[in-house]
Amino acid sequence: GAGVSQSPRYKVAKRGQDVALRCDPISGHVSLFWYQQALGQGPEFLTYFQNEAQLDKSGLPSDRFFAERPEGSVSTLKIQRTQQEDSAVYLCASSPDPPSAYGYTFGSGTRLTVV
Amino acid sequence: GNSVTQMEGPVTLSEEAFLTINCTYTATGYPSLFWYVQYPGEGLQLLLKATKADDKGSNKGFEATYRKETTSFHLEKGSVQVSDSAVYFCASFSSGSARQLTFGSGTQLTVLP
Repeated sequence: GAGVSQSPRYKVAKRGQDVALRCDPISGHVSLFWYQQALGQGPEFLTYFQNEAQLDKSGLPSDRFFAERPEGSVSTLKIQRTQQEDSAVYLCASSPDPPSAYGYTFGSGTRLTVV
Repeated sequence: GNSVTQMEGPVTLSEEAFLTINCTYTATGYPSLFWYVQYPGEGLQLLLKATKADDKGSNKGFEATYRKETTSFHLEKGSVQVSDSAVYFCASFSSGSARQLTFGSGTQLTVLP
């Protein structure tokens, strides 16, 4: 597609529920990133994929967070047993290689509210 | 790791005023530097970039020059418009990696007519 597409745009989850957030990157972009943005803050890195390989997951805040990109295109970020502190906007971005030369293209994000 | 420090907001200007948003970075070596803009309810959009020292990035009347002596990448615009109202983020790639952007905390800009 023309841009990075994320769904759903908004998600309300009860505490303890599992959620799955989807990202459709720009076709042909090798690199895919997930970020978490709390209200009034800058985005914080969660994880990075190059094709289907997850090369860096150092930013995932706990083992309740899991990401995958099985065929090297669409990615899913899953959060198990959601907690209130998980409420944030989750941003997906993709990039050609190397990202340092091109920067990232971000999706519009998924706003997760845990109640 | 590296870090990015931005001028704290919010910043409120009148239309046609001059804009400066300060950004400094700490990193090993010379990272690529970026400015992103986030309009209300939208994702981040790349505004401009500079990949090496002394480069000047420019777009839509905004400019920023990569200054290695002062480890800075300040954003400037000579005459702001109401439509420039948004949150601006400075970002750099982490030291030891070319694939992880580290963002500043953002600066909210409001331009009044």
